[in-house]
Amino acid sequence: DQQVKQNSPSLSVQEGRISILNCDYTNSMFDYFLWYKKYPAEGPTFLISISSIKDKNEDGRFTVFLNKSAKHLSLHIVPSQPGDSAVYFCAASAPYGNKLVFGAGTILRVKS
Amino acid sequence: DAGVIQSPRHEVTEMGQEVTLRCKPISGHDYLFWYRQTMMRGLELLIYFNNNVPIDDSGMPEDRFSAKMPNASFSTLKIQPSEPRDSAVYFCASSLGTVDSEAFFGQGTRLTVV
Repeated sequence: DQQVKQNSPSLSVQEGRISILNCDYTNSMFDYFLWYKKYPAEGPTFLISISSIKDKNEDGRFTVFLNKSAKHLSLHIVPSQPGDSAVYFCAASAPYGNKLVFGAGTILRVKS
Repeated sequence: DAGVIQSPRHEVTEMGQEVTLRCKPISGHDYLFWYRQTMMRGLELLIYFNNNVPIDDSGMPEDRFSAKMPNASFSTLKIQPSEPRDSAVYFCASSLGTVDSEAFFGQGTRLTVV
């Protein structure tokens, strides 16, 4: 049973527009959420995170929104750039566990 | 620090052979994770260690898989005997283990079992 779900396998966006990547989770114990970006032939790299005490965290062009009641988070990229084309993984962890549970990933293609 | 180092980058082996993947975590990190990436299931956590002690191996698919961490700077993931369905990219990651710390990943080992 997948506790972290990314239901969109891929997303295609025009350069300059907004990219919105979605993630749902089932475990109400999760209290920390992260997004990772992965380029081909490289390991995932940390992008942005959010604690469950917040509902929004912003870092430059990247913003993560958390809706605890819906058990849903989203990553917004504005404006999208061709270099943002990658696989984006959503991950979550529960208190004291330090164990990151990942979703299956969403392939983002930003067209120029 | 050079980051998390994995070897080999690529491994091609015949079914039934033993395969050993290696990982050197970032110095000072006390958590080490082994993940497997497949198209269908994304990044699956196989096992993780805290201070060299295995904490959760519930993700290890079968007894054919084993992992060790003999010291703070080295870990291995072994598959014996290997099967074609084990073909995937295997990632090692390490973290500081504090609340809200992110994991740093190696570049992965692409395993192909023929």
